[in-house]
Amino acid sequence: DAKTTQPPSMDCAEGRAANLPCNHSTISGNEYVYWYRQIHSQGPQYIIHGLKNNETNEMASLIITEDRKSSTLILPHATLRDTAVYYCIVRSQGGSEKLVFGKGMKLTVNP
Amino acid sequence: DTEVTQTPKHLVMGMTNKKSLKCEQHMGHRAMYWYKQKAKKPPELMFVYSYEKLSINESVPSRFSPECPNSSLLNLHLHALQPEDSALYLCASSPSEGRVGYTFGSGTRLTVV
Repeated sequence: DAKTTQPPSMDCAEGRAANLPCNHSTISGNEYVYWYRQIHSQGPQYIIHGLKNNETNEMASLIITEDRKSSTLILPHATLRDTAVYYCIVRSQGGSEKLVFGKGMKLTVNP
Repeated sequence: DTEVTQTPKHLVMGMTNKKSLKCEQHMGHRAMYWYKQKAKKPPELMFVYSYEKLSINESVPSRFSPECPNSSLLNLHLHALQPEDSALYLCASSPSEGRVGYTFGSGTRLTVV
């Protein structure tokens, strides 16, 4: 069973913020929220991860709700190069925990 | 070096051929992974190596045979494949098994004819 739910697709205008939602209502206390993206014909790329606090790095910001049942990945100024499939993944950091990809969400940034 | 390098980038093989996919990283990562990705589908985990030992085999058919000769190299040996095995094969590495920061290669596009 999928641990996360994402809309299948979203459009965003170039230069605007892209807010990508993810629902993970059954997340456990020790599970992190990870985001990866896959640009066409490339391997997936790690973006960011978090447990319960909001996180920011050079690529994006991750906002996790207080109840941890949902999160939002924010690309502050989307560019055409951000067009990709974005995967929200919930997993613990245990040694045997697998990185399992769901269907993801296609983000299209339009000029 | 912060990359995972996969060779070849493209491979066409017959159903009776034997071929190998190669993956290399020099980041000191001790966990390495093989994923398979069919068109318009998410990547699916095939194998996990941790400290050069096979840790996870996701019930992959024996015509796929992984090998980890050292901490920097991961091979996937292919034999007697079927056309439905045509896919993008992705290699990834991480500092240790389960740790954040998987780095993926660009993949090998395999076509079985």
